[in-house]
Amino acid sequence: NAGVMQNPRHLVRRRGQEARLRCSPMKGHSHVYWYRQLPEEGLKFMVYLQKENIIDESGMPKERFSAEFPKEGPSILRIQQVVRGDSAAYFCASSPPLTSNNEQFFGPGTRLTVL
Amino acid sequence: GESVGLHLPTLSVQEGDNSIINCAYSNSASDYFIWYKQESGKGPQFIIDIRSNMDKRQGQRVTVLLNKTVKHLSLQIAATQPGDSAVYFCAENPRGSYIPTFGRGTSLIVHP
Repeated sequence: NAGVMQNPRHLVRRRGQEARLRCSPMKGHSHVYWYRQLPEEGLKFMVYLQKENIIDESGMPKERFSAEFPKEGPSILRIQQVVRGDSAAYFCASSPPLTSNNEQFFGPGTRLTVL
Repeated sequence: GESVGLHLPTLSVQEGDNSIINCAYSNSASDYFIWYKQESGKGPQFIIDIRSNMDKRQGQRVTVLLNKTVKHLSLQIAATQPGDSAVYFCAENPRGSYIPTFGRGTSLIVHP
């Protein structure tokens, strides 16, 4: 059973370009979470999605950032018109249909560098 | 203890020693706590969890202690090995929420 997969692992963009980050959850998992991590900091929650639904996007910047989790295919985190401050590691996690605990399984992350 | 500035708190130990990593949480409504290990260049990896109705939980070489009175969580690693070198994060889930709040992390360095 493959773990959470993210691609690309490294992404370099120039200011003003678009970044698309992909996340394939573990098999059987229907919940996806995106986090951002700056160097030497903890993970900051961005958005929580189920298939075709955004459940909680309270951590997502209001502009330039969007996320989706379509019925088929991976979850996508999209950053439009990137700026240097968007440089960070972006992690995706997935979990099965919710139980009393909420153990999340993390992918290896995408490291975004904005030049 | 805490370090100055933006650097992560760091704990250096010798191989074979026991390690204790501490975490203070802020939300008295949190009822589920998790410790994650993050190696360089990788995503966080689940180590052990504990619910608020427990004070202690043991795994393989790891023990988590929860003190709700002072809102403190600790991770104890027995017979620390070089492979334990990583950044360790605690995370808390407020009751009714499935979104964990992560602490800042502690860097554990194990010297052979």
